[in-house]
Amino acid sequence: GDSVTQMEGPVTLSEEACLTINCTYTATGYPSLFWYVQYPGEGLQLLLKATKADDKGSNKGFEATYRKETTSFHLEKGSVQVSDSAVYFCALSPYTGTASKLTFGTGTRLQVTL
Amino acid sequence: EAGVAQSPRYKIIEKRQSVAFWCNPISGHATLYWYQQILGQGPKLLIQFQNNGVVDDSQLPKDRFSAERLKGVDSTLKIQPAKLEDSAVYLCASSLEGIPDSPLHFGNGTRLTVT
Repeated sequence: GDSVTQMEGPVTLSEEACLTINCTYTATGYPSLFWYVQYPGEGLQLLLKATKADDKGSNKGFEATYRKETTSFHLEKGSVQVSDSAVYFCALSPYTGTASKLTFGTGTRLQVTL
Repeated sequence: EAGVAQSPRYKIIEKRQSVAFWCNPISGHATLYWYQQILGQGPKLLIQFQNNGVVDDSQLPKDRFSAERLKGVDSTLKIQPAKLEDSAVYLCASSLEGIPDSPLHFGNGTRLTVT
């Protein structure tokens, strides 16, 4: 079945450091890929998405590129802020262009310090 | 717009007791999901509704879990009887029907502790 593997945390960075959170997936067909973020005390919210190979999703300075050849969707940010401290989840949907039937990774906790 | 509402926020019960969670999706959202998030894991889909019909309940433990969506709006998830391994956060999410790339909107969840 479909699965998502993401790097374990916690990841601790100083403010303005570069961030990469690795995510790889296993799926048949042409899945859509997502990054969700959960800030402390809040619900999960969509951060960015990509629906086909070579698409780049971006939002709030975060980026991720859908790499079919390496089955990866790594999350990157050039300069993190304290406000980015949260848990980040990589997810896939087996259906192109929708968020139905999401399979999530285990989440990576990011802590950014001054 | 108002978000997905869930209640209660927290619930503590003993094993073998029953419990129910309630979800009110965003107005107009035809698709509703229940996810289970065990500590240290990602959310796992339990059931998906389209209006008041079940689209996918393949991962719902039907011997003890049940869910319904009244009139295609609010939904209730019930566990009877609860087991220790049911301790988790239960998340409700909703989305628009038939809109490509329509994102999921999640509620804050109900944290269940079974003792």
